[in-house]
Amino acid sequence: SAVISQKPSRDICQRGTSLTIQCQVDSQVTMMFWYRQQPGQSLTLIATANQGSEATYESGFVIDKFPISRPNLTFSTLTVSNMSPEDSSIYLCSVVDRGFSKDYGYTFGSGTRLTVV
Amino acid sequence: DAKTTQPPSMDCAEGRAANLPCNHSTISGNEYVYWYRQIHSQGPQYIIHGLKNNETNEMASLIITEDRKSSTLILPHATLRDTAVYYCIVDLGGADGLTFGKGTHLIIQP
Repeated sequence: SAVISQKPSRDICQRGTSLTIQCQVDSQVTMMFWYRQQPGQSLTLIATANQGSEATYESGFVIDKFPISRPNLTFSTLTVSNMSPEDSSIYLCSVVDRGFSKDYGYTFGSGTRLTVV
Repeated sequence: DAKTTQPPSMDCAEGRAANLPCNHSTISGNEYVYWYRQIHSQGPQYIIHGLKNNETNEMASLIITEDRKSSTLILPHATLRDTAVYYCIVDLGGADGLTFGKGTHLIIQP
């Protein structure tokens, strides 16, 4: 399966600032997904990033707050903008590395643990 | 909302089989049952999935009832490293992301 590298693995940021999280995959993938996991909670899908088109956001998430880039088939970034303590979460990148998930499932990165103070 | 119901937590003795139940009574005919687990401080890991038939791989077995309204994930010989949150997910198997429920926190006791 694909190998995903996320950077940074963790960060502590001041409120009002922005953080860009990078997701690098070792193979070309059509779709990349970004999730948020708030403390003690399950994962929630933020958006789907396709190369060459605008990201598709889930209900409750907007581009101004979570801008996403997808410059090529192996890389994506998620920016958490104008951060507040409520943004303290783990942010995870995920891909379907071959075909559809019914064949091989999704692969997840190890996540970025963000603390906003 | 998640389409599955799982017990919030379970204990299992090391070396014994861990049987994790999942109810998915509203599953449609073309939806798969997936299991993922999340070990502390890591991203979720795919375990197994199935449509109708029981499935087995090197990690686990998946037993799906005939009416497909429930399933059981079996870890045949649980080890301490199997302590994790286990998520049962019903999905069409496409490529549009997953909806996670609360999962079951499985604790393997020495």
